[in-house]
Amino acid sequence: NAGVTQTPKFQVLKTGQSMTLQCAQDMNHEYMSWYRQDPGMGLRLIHYSVGAGITDQGEVPNGYNVSRSTTEDFPLRLLSAAPSQTSVYFCASTPGGRSAAFFGQGTRLTVV
Amino acid sequence: GQQVMQIPQYQHVQEGEDFTTYCNSSTTLSNIQWYKQRPGGHPVFLIQLVKSGEVKKQKRLTFQFGEAKKNSSLHITATQTTDVGTYFCAGSVNSGYALNFGKGTSLLVTP
Repeated sequence: NAGVTQTPKFQVLKTGQSMTLQCAQDMNHEYMSWYRQDPGMGLRLIHYSVGAGITDQGEVPNGYNVSRSTTEDFPLRLLSAAPSQTSVYFCASTPGGRSAAFFGQGTRLTVV
Repeated sequence: GQQVMQIPQYQHVQEGEDFTTYCNSSTTLSNIQWYKQRPGGHPVFLIQLVKSGEVKKQKRLTFQFGEAKKNSSLHITATQTTDVGTYFCAGSVNSGYALNFGKGTSLLVTP
């Protein structure tokens, strides 16, 4: 079982470049979310979606866009990368409220 | 907004010693979850607590949810080197969809 798959695993961007972090899940979970993890900061919620066509902002949404056209996919877009976006990004899915979240393996992004 | 505070930030123990991490919320939580992240890995769900005063055990791990549903703790008895990692608590308030994570407690266990 694949679970939650994130691509790429590693990425280096130059300041100002754009890119999309991919996240796909095969568990038919309604809820998906994106977190960033920085040293000493824990996991901070960027954006989340409670179903196809529905997204909302989390704690640190600035600089990131999301869309949810299918249940399976929840891509995270960086329109103009900045060094402050250097981080490890995790995608997670859950079948609903009060349920365990399943995390992908993470994408380590460096912006130079 | 909701704040979830977790202490200590780091803990270094000798194998066989006990370990406890504490989680406190500024607001009443509907539920709290605990996750473990091994170095270089991703968070993995351990357990969820929902009821006031709830206590759950998983082998050497004991999880508690406070009576006011604003605090929680994870206690590991007789730590082993396999317990190394960062332990996160995560709370949600209403629907339970948006999780607010604590900053985590990094546990180092030396033989």
